[in-house]
Amino acid sequence: EAQVTQNPRYLITVTGKKLTVTCSQNMNHEYMSWYRQDPGLGLRQIYYSMNVEVTDKGDVPEGYKVSRKEKRNFPLILESPSPNQTSLYFCASSLSKGDTDTQYFGPGTRLTVL
Amino acid sequence: GENVEQHPSTLSVQEGDSAVIKCTYSDSASNYFPWYKQELGKRPQLIIDIRSNVGEKKDQRIAVTLNKTAKHFSLHITETQPEDSAVYFCAAVGYSSASKIIFGSGTRLSIRP
Repeated sequence: EAQVTQNPRYLITVTGKKLTVTCSQNMNHEYMSWYRQDPGLGLRQIYYSMNVEVTDKGDVPEGYKVSRKEKRNFPLILESPSPNQTSLYFCASSLSKGDTDTQYFGPGTRLTVL
Repeated sequence: GENVEQHPSTLSVQEGDSAVIKCTYSDSASNYFPWYKQELGKRPQLIIDIRSNVGEKKDQRIAVTLNKTAKHFSLHITETQPEDSAVYFCAAVGYSSASKIIFGSGTRLSIRP
């Protein structure tokens, strides 16, 4: 089954404790992206990747890191989480650049930083 | 920077009536405009999209119109049903924004029985 998976689905952590949210897709998609969703602000792009070893900042990259060592995986890293990073996070992928293809979203990760 | 404005933020319509959601974008190089539906507790899913070389696209009860001159596009849902209740997001994508995808802030649509 074609899908985008994220782990964990729920996470409660404390300020400053490094964490990683994994994202994996089995559709051989080139383009992958991370979003955060906050009430009243919609979906805001954090980072995106056009292909392996190619990543770039979205609209709200501060406090986040990503890597794309393999085509299928695109982990989101919070080196020193802060309470303002409490949010619902979605990973998404599409066949190629996002202007031509449907984005498929993962199930979401709800993160709470105390 | 580029942005997408979406209105209204909430919309309540009687079952069977039509609903219209409007978006305005700032990047004149935007050339792809998808619409996503997000049901409560679920992930966003594409429901319809339109590219800049087309003015209108329809899929059953859902249609999208695009006015490139005015830089706005709209989602039209006719004969609304309870299962249309959800949050709807518009988005704009273009070459000049270096593959960034800019979403609107969302519209919460409620269908009254």
